[in-house]
Amino acid sequence: SQELEQSPQSLIVQEGKNLTINCTSSKTLYGLYWYKQKYGEGLIFLMMLQKGGEEKSHEKITAKLDEKKQQSSLHITASQPSHAGIYLCGADGRTGANNLFFGTGTRLTVIP
Amino acid sequence: DAGVIQSPRHEVTEMGQEVTLRCKPISGHNSLFWYRQTMMRGLELLIYFNNNVPIDDSGMPEDRFSAKMPNASFSTLKIQPSEPRDSAVYFCASSLTGITGELFFGEGSRLTVL
Repeated sequence: SQELEQSPQSLIVQEGKNLTINCTSSKTLYGLYWYKQKYGEGLIFLMMLQKGGEEKSHEKITAKLDEKKQQSSLHITASQPSHAGIYLCGADGRTGANNLFFGTGTRLTVIP
Repeated sequence: DAGVIQSPRHEVTEMGQEVTLRCKPISGHNSLFWYRQTMMRGLELLIYFNNNVPIDDSGMPEDRFSAKMPNASFSTLKIQPSEPRDSAVYFCASSLTGITGELFFGEGSRLTVL
């Protein structure tokens, strides 16, 4: 079965610093999705990547999918306390029904 | 607009008791998902429905778990009898088929089984 491994598991950065979170799949990804979870809340959709080499940005967050479609990275520029939370990458089960399975998550703490 | 609504937000119960978690998806969404989140196992997909029909329940841990979706606006996840290892946060999510990958999650139901 396909698995998604995220690294690091946790990250503590000073406000203003850049950071990168990685997501690696054991198999080729057909769709890669990034979600953010604030502590004690549900997940919020950030971005979707489908094509090899694709890159998307929203505000200070940029996500990339490598050409082989087995690795994705999420980069935050000039981090802020509002970026704190758990970031999860997800992949779909290829049934077209959005039955996503998720990685292990990366817990981000931003120190003011 | 109202998002996905789950109830209860918190439940504490004793081992052996029946637990029922409820979910109201976003109006117009035709897919509904139940996930469970624990520190040890992360976020796991338990079951999902499409147009009120269960499509894949292979993630349901055992027969003590059951889920229903009697209509497009309501779903339940039932655990009977509950066990301490069922303690987790249970999330419901909904989406619109064709809108790939964007699930809308509720705020979760935190279950503690003593």
